[in-house]
Amino acid sequence: DAGVIQSPRHEVTEMGQEVTLRCKPISGHNSLFWYRQTMMRGLELLIYFNNNVPIDDSGMPEDRFSAKMPNASFSTLKIQPSEPRDSAVYFCASSASEITDTQYFGPGTRLTVL
Amino acid sequence: SQQGEEDPQALSIQEGENATMNCSYKTSINNLQWYRQNSGRGLVHLILIRSNEREKHSGRLRVTLDTSKKSSSLLITASRAADTASYFCATEHSGNTPLVFGKGTRLSVIA
Repeated sequence: DAGVIQSPRHEVTEMGQEVTLRCKPISGHNSLFWYRQTMMRGLELLIYFNNNVPIDDSGMPEDRFSAKMPNASFSTLKIQPSEPRDSAVYFCASSASEITDTQYFGPGTRLTVL
Repeated sequence: SQQGEEDPQALSIQEGENATMNCSYKTSINNLQWYRQNSGRGLVHLILIRSNEREKHSGRLRVTLDTSKKSSSLLITASRAADTASYFCATEHSGNTPLVFGKGTRLSVIA
């Protein structure tokens, strides 16, 4: 089993540029979560989907952040325009059926905005 | 906030010693999970304990849950250098809301 796949693993960009992070959940999993992790704020839940439908995006920090899940095997998190304070590690996780199930995390994308 | 809180924030022990980490939470739970995060990696699920269970074992891991005190502990026995990681508790609350992760305990096991 491939596990949750995230790309890119590292992204360095300049302030103002658009950033797109990608996630492929475990096949057959119905729930998908996007997190952001920093030293200062710890692990923050940004948004989660169930059966490709966004359930709660109240954790998305600003309108500059958006997420989509066009099908069961792919999701994107987009930041436009990016700012230095967006620098963090972004994780995608999936769970089998309910949003309360055990979560399986991807390796993360380390984003640096200069 | 429903967020669990781990204690201590950081722990440093010698290889072979036992490591105990605690998690406290504020509202009632359906279950509680522990996860490990190695540096630069994603979180990995370790063990789940349900609200009607008091203790659970998995290899060198022992988890206890005291719902009256709203707290859980994770004990790692005979620690190894490879156990060096951050450990997070995550709580499942009623109302079909996702897991709530704590801020984690950073464990360093010195060989």
